[in-house]
Amino acid sequence: RKEVEQDPGPFNVPEGATVAFNCTYSNSASQSFFWYRQDCRKEPKLLMSVYSSGNEDGRFTAQLNRASQYISLLIRDSKLSDSATYLCVAPDRGSTLGRLYFGRGTQLTVWP
Amino acid sequence: DAGITQSPRHKVTETGTPVTLRCHQTENHRYMYWYRQDPGHGLRLIHYSYGVKDTDKGEVSDGYSVSRSKTEDFLLTLESATSSQTSVYFCAISESLALTDTQYFGPGTRLTVL
Repeated sequence: RKEVEQDPGPFNVPEGATVAFNCTYSNSASQSFFWYRQDCRKEPKLLMSVYSSGNEDGRFTAQLNRASQYISLLIRDSKLSDSATYLCVAPDRGSTLGRLYFGRGTQLTVWP
Repeated sequence: DAGITQSPRHKVTETGTPVTLRCHQTENHRYMYWYRQDPGHGLRLIHYSYGVKDTDKGEVSDGYSVSRSKTEDFLLTLESATSSQTSVYFCAISESLALTDTQYFGPGTRLTVL
């Protein structure tokens, strides 16, 4: 079983829609999580961090459910520029060297 | 954006030749990482470094070696390139291992091994 599992999508939504991605993780000891955004042929870039039950930044909301071991990312009022692949990331709590586990990514396309 | 550069950005080489990729940072971060990204696999850790001359293997280290002689530079070497090493290679850096810190990525190197 992979450390982090994501629905690969693709998700195709119209502008203005609300879309949610889920991610499950296997290490129950993990305390912090991250969502990265990766544009086509570009490097991953940090989008949001999640340390407690959730985090909100403008149109983006990340939530953490420790009991069920999943993280979600909600995007409201989708923009064309939100089209990208979204990576769910969990630290390896068994590692003392900052190792991160990356999901394979969920692809989002927002159409006009 | 974090000050991370990678060179070369693109490279085509032949099977059996040695290849060295360079990652350079201007952030003075202690931790540096090399990943490869392939369709269907996501990002996989090759090697990492936790200080000058301190390195260790990641999950896909076979066929790769690394060196870090200065804080700012982390080199990845393919001793004898194979077609299975065709991939996009990303370098990442991290300031600390605190829960609030994560990794920042360089622009990547696209390597094709013919």
